[in-house]
Amino acid sequence: NAGVTQTPKFQVLKTGQSMTLQCAQDMNHNSMYWYRQDPGMGLRLIYYSASEGTTDKGEVPNGYNVSRLNKREFSLRLESAAPSQTSVYFCASRPGGLATARGELFFGEGSRLTVL
Amino acid sequence: AQSVTQPDIHITVSEGASLELRCNYSYGATPYLFWYVQSPGQGLQLLLKYFSGDTLVQGIKGFEAEFKRSQSSFNLRKPSVHWSDAAEYFCAVGATSGTYKYIFGTGTRLKVLA
Repeated sequence: NAGVTQTPKFQVLKTGQSMTLQCAQDMNHNSMYWYRQDPGMGLRLIYYSASEGTTDKGEVPNGYNVSRLNKREFSLRLESAAPSQTSVYFCASRPGGLATARGELFFGEGSRLTVL
Repeated sequence: AQSVTQPDIHITVSEGASLELRCNYSYGATPYLFWYVQSPGQGLQLLLKYFSGDTLVQGIKGFEAEFKRSQSSFNLRKPSVHWSDAAEYFCAVGATSGTYKYIFGTGTRLKVLA
């Protein structure tokens, strides 16, 4: 009964280093999302993938890249980390598509990233 | 473009008092609307959702929300707050077509006084 699994849960990087946050869901959902959560800013959408093979920019995509590897997996990559990317990152999924656009998001437990 | 505004950053209420958290949205059509709750260090949990039909929707933990199209609002209410309701609450709007973008408000942190 895993749902949405994110790895790693915690990570400390130095400025300029790169890393990839991994996300996998086992609910056969079409749509997947990456958000970042910062105090006073709520959750801001970084990238999303409405279905396998497609990705779109959200509100704050600069400095990030994503890959929808297959229907289950949606990774977020920081090519050159900056202190401004210190945040808690959440991956989420939902059924998506025209027939199930009403579905709520199912969230992972979050990944706390610190960039020094 | 869709957007969500939660005008109250912090709200403090006494246990047993009523609660209303405000949410205003911007969207070209009737959106799908959601309220989530986040306890400290946790992920987000769905409280309730609105798609169509009856404008008053019931959720878990005794919460309800009312959709008012004329005011572009979807306010969350609870008649009597419990200490365990202390958390952060997020309103979200989901697009009803296209690529199904899903946007959150900035959240309202609720403090409950004993």
